Amino acid sequence: KNEVEQSPQNLTAQEGEFITINCSYSVGISALHWLQQHPGGGIVSLFMLSSGKKKHGRLIATINIQEKHSSLHITASHPRDSAVYICAVKRGSQGNLIFGKGTKLSVKP
Amino acid sequence: NAGVTQTPKFQVLKTGQSMTLQCAQDMNHNSMYWYRQDPGMGLRLIYYSASEGTTDKGEVPNGYNVSRLNKREFSLRLESAAPSQTSVYFCASSRTDGQGANYGYTFGSGTRLTVV
Repeated sequence: KNEVEQSPQNLTAQEGEFITINCSYSVGISALHWLQQHPGGGIVSLFMLSSGKKKHGRLIATINIQEKHSSLHITASHPRDSAVYICAVKRGSQGNLIFGKGTKLSVKP
Repeated sequence: NAGVTQTPKFQVLKTGQSMTLQCAQDMNHNSMYWYRQDPGMGLRLIYYSASEGTTDKGEVPNGYNVSRLNKREFSLRLESAAPSQTSVYFCASSRTDGQGANYGYTFGSGTRLTVV
């Protein structure tokens, strides 16, 4: 079983819809990251969370440490949000990242 | 723009050939990493360097060597390429706070390597 599981694997939405991507992990962590990989391949860090909730523009990330679960929400989705969203966790302050397999999001106009 | 620069962006090798992937960062980050990304799998760590002068194996180090040339540069070498090393390779760096915790990860744009 993978230490980091994301759902769904693929997601198609209509422009304007509210989107939720989930991440569950099975190990103790010091931080959780949400990353975005565009079709061109580049990877951008969106959020780093160790507790609670963070918001940036239309993106919101939450984490529940007790339940070992995090969600990434996109409000008022747009075709330019189409990308692969990757969850990654870090064990210990100096540990390396363990990555989920990603969720491929396609937002249709 | 500041960030992580990887070269080359694309490469085709024949089985048995060698090559070095270059990575440089200009953010004064202490830690640097090499990952590979394969279809249907998450990014996997090949090697990392917690600081200048140190390197450690990650999850999939076989067939690779690394050099942390200085604080800015971290190269990945394939001594004898194999088709199983066909992948997309990403370099990344992160900063370290006073307690040694890593965060602020920045990724390069990737190298698409095909071994035939």
